[in-house]
Amino acid sequence: GESVGLHLPTLSVQEGDNSIINCAYSNSASDYFIWYKQESGKGPQFIIDIRSNMDKRQGQRVTVLLNKTVKHLSLQIAATQPGDSAVYFCAENNPPSGGYNKLIFGAGTRLAVHP
Amino acid sequence: EPEVTQTPSHQVTQMGQEVILRCVPISNHLYFYWYRQILGQKVEFLVSFYNNEISEKSEIFDDQFSVERPDGSNFTLKIRSTKLEDSAMYFCASSERPVGGGLQETQYFGPGTRLLVL
Repeated sequence: GESVGLHLPTLSVQEGDNSIINCAYSNSASDYFIWYKQESGKGPQFIIDIRSNMDKRQGQRVTVLLNKTVKHLSLQIAATQPGDSAVYFCAENNPPSGGYNKLIFGAGTRLAVHP
Repeated sequence: EPEVTQTPSHQVTQMGQEVILRCVPISNHLYFYWYRQILGQKVEFLVSFYNNEISEKSEIFDDQFSVERPDGSNFTLKIRSTKLEDSAMYFCASSERPVGGGLQETQYFGPGTRLLVL
């Protein structure tokens, strides 16, 4: 079946560096994508989202890039801080088979920020 | 800032027992969801709920599962006869609109209930 996946299971960066977390998706019908951050023992925390009619969206210190041609999504974190250490999940909606409310999550990438 | 809350934070139960997990979605939200996360795995969709009925459910959400909005604030997930493999974190989420409904489509997650079935 179609699914969202991640290229790197873990990413280690130095504090202050920029981080890039990647995600590949296979459902070309998906039109909405979200990045969530999950700290240990907590629920997924919304970071940023993007619709398929956009290729870039910026938030505070974060940027999401969407390349529909190669079905690739990335999350860029500028000036990574120790508090950014967490597991990051990309998620997509899943039309038409899953409808428009169901989010399909990727496997997650652990970001470890070292001082 | 409004947030989704869940109770209990932890639940330990014996196999075969019924459990009810409770959620209070964000107050102006109309769409409600349950997801689960088995330890070390990714988050999996269980069910979505709107206008007092299930709008979508996954293959995981079998006859042992049910959801209910018993009043204007709570949203519950009931597992009728728990199995060992039901052990997981269960997350409730809510959104103001469905995905595709515009800027308020973001699903916000609660902190989860850790369910352990012995």
